[in-house]
Amino acid sequence: AQSVSQHNHHVILSEAASLELGCNYSYGGTVNLFWYVQYPGQHLQLLLKYFSGDPLVKGIKGFEAEFIKSKFSFNLRKPSVQWSDTAEYFCAVNAKNTGFQKLVFGTGTRLLVSP
Amino acid sequence: NAGVMQNPRHLVRRRGQEARLRCSPMKGHSHVYWYRQLPEEGLKFMVYLQKENIIDESGMPKERFSAEFPKEGPSILRIQQVVRGDSAAYFCASSPGTASSGNTIYFGEGSWLTVV
Repeated sequence: AQSVSQHNHHVILSEAASLELGCNYSYGGTVNLFWYVQYPGQHLQLLLKYFSGDPLVKGIKGFEAEFIKSKFSFNLRKPSVQWSDTAEYFCAVNAKNTGFQKLVFGTGTRLLVSP
Repeated sequence: NAGVMQNPRHLVRRRGQEARLRCSPMKGHSHVYWYRQLPEEGLKFMVYLQKENIIDESGMPKERFSAEFPKEGPSILRIQQVVRGDSAAYFCASSPGTASSGNTIYFGEGSWLTVV
């Protein structure tokens, strides 16, 4: 069975600091990878996704993530965070050619950006 | 274009009561998914429905939980005889098609159930 680990449960940064949130998955086959964000009081939104091709994926709001197959990792990065990035971030994975019902989520990382 | 709408956003029930959570998918979406997030855990899949059909309910507890997506109206997640362990955030999501077609899944804001 697949699993997803997000090692940082809470992260506190000052504005303009760089961000990297870790995500590791366990699954031996080919996967699709996702990062979702949930701003306070709002729904989960897709930040970016990786299906195939260039392992460096660029998403919305200046976020990017790099798929490193050998490390089973898909870390999320942003060079300079803003106060408005305060939110909870979820990494998710599903095996290639399976449905959304097979999405497996990490436990989430709560990011607090202080002004 | 309204997103996935869930209601109620917050629901408090006493042990033994019934909880009904509703989800209206995005316009044009015929695939609905329910996920549950227990405290300190990630979202876990519960059930996948298309209009009038349950496609996959492998994540649903065997007892007290049921889901439907009728021809008309929202999808309903029903929890009978709630217990404290049912306290969680319940997220609904919808998509216009399957993941293999390259579609994207859209989530609602969640319904927070508290059992007292």
